[in-house]
Amino acid sequence: AQSVTQLDSHVSVSEGTPVLLRCNYSSSYSPSLFWYVQHPNKGLQLLLKYTSAATLVKGINGFEAEFKKSETSFHLTKPSAHMSDAAEYFCASANSGGYQKVTFGTGTKLQVIP
Amino acid sequence: DTGVSQDPRHKITKRGQNVTFRCDPISEHNRLYWYRQTLGQGPEFLTYFQNEAQLEKSRLLSDRFSAERPKGSFSTLEIQRTEQGDSAMYLCASTKVGGKTEAFFGQGTRLTVV
Repeated sequence: AQSVTQLDSHVSVSEGTPVLLRCNYSSSYSPSLFWYVQHPNKGLQLLLKYTSAATLVKGINGFEAEFKKSETSFHLTKPSAHMSDAAEYFCASANSGGYQKVTFGTGTKLQVIP
Repeated sequence: DTGVSQDPRHKITKRGQNVTFRCDPISEHNRLYWYRQTLGQGPEFLTYFQNEAQLEKSRLLSDRFSAERPKGSFSTLEIQRTEQGDSAMYLCASTKVGGKTEAFFGQGTRLTVV
């Protein structure tokens, strides 16, 4: 069984300051891990994915995440927040054995203060 | 544009009515998934198809829900005798078989039961 836990339901940062959204995973298998972003009334957009290659994954819009097996974490970071980053972010995992059913966390709402 | 399209984008229906949603996956993707997302939650898996075969159904999928993918291309999700608790965003996603490819999501159908 696989699961993800997003440690913060809301994160508030000032524009231009770093962003850290935390995610821990639990999986019986070597997981594939993802971060998705969802703007209001929109579908999910993939930011980045980890599939057992490099542990530091770079995504779109300046986001990156680091896979840390010892900590079972996959935290999302960005050096400098932009107003357009305000959205809800979902960490997710999938069984890398070929079955791509995705299990999502409960989401972190990112607020960016001008 | 992820390539997965869903129709309609919004649906308002009266309690007790039947509704049907459609999902057109990316053409070369043979796996198709339905998720439900309620307010403030991450998407939850409902069911998945490989080609035309429905291979797994979540316990969330009550007997009022039925999904089909008759020709292994588009899929429909029908909800009979809708209840207010069915109000949610219904998301469709598709992937290729095998490998570590991510799921591509449509923009969803937002259902409001009044």
